[in-house]
Amino acid sequence: EAGVAQSPRYKIIEKRQSVAFWCNPISGHATLYWYQQILGQGPKLLIQFQNNGVVDDSQLPKDRFSAERLKGVDSTLKIQPAKLEDSAVYLCASSSSRLGYTFGSGTRLTVV
Amino acid sequence: AQSVTQLDSHVSVSEGTPVLLRCNYSSSYSPSLFWYVQHPNKGLQLLLKYTSAATLVKGINGFEAEFKKSETSFHLTKPSAHMSDAAEYFCVVSDRRTGFQKLVFGTGTRLLVSP
Repeated sequence: EAGVAQSPRYKIIEKRQSVAFWCNPISGHATLYWYQQILGQGPKLLIQFQNNGVVDDSQLPKDRFSAERLKGVDSTLKIQPAKLEDSAVYLCASSSSRLGYTFGSGTRLTVV
Repeated sequence: AQSVTQLDSHVSVSEGTPVLLRCNYSSSYSPSLFWYVQHPNKGLQLLLKYTSAATLVKGINGFEAEFKKSETSFHLTKPSAHMSDAAEYFCVVSDRRTGFQKLVFGTGTRLLVSP
């Protein structure tokens, strides 16, 4: 079974620029998550999708962050404009009731 | 709200000695608890999970954890540390209030293993 795919692996941008991350979950996993992991901290949930609907986006900074999951499969997370404090690893995960959680390897974002 | 507290930010052991990583949880109902490991520049890997079955949970690579409701603890142990165990470990609680599984992570414990 293929894992959760994320791209790019690394991204360096200047503050106030925009950036987008892509995630392809495990086939058949209805639930998809985006987590933000700041250096030295545990991952924090940004947004959770069930199929293509948003279940929880309470910790998503909606003034600059947006996410979508078209057709209930792939998902993109966008930041516009980026701030220095957005430097982090962005982890995508997907889950099913039978198989549990699987995390991708993440995208490391550095904002300079 | 669900939360977990990892009591040590760093733990140092010698190879071959026991490992103890401490975690306390807070939950208004019976929780699901997990331990994840993260090696440098690698993804998160599930070590073990507790979901209200046996209170002593065995995981991969010789790790185990015991759920103690009276102490609200879920400490991770291993009888003998190996150099390859050096990594960041996260205690995690699952929030099922909405019926969907949201994971709430602790701040992590970095395990250092010396020869």
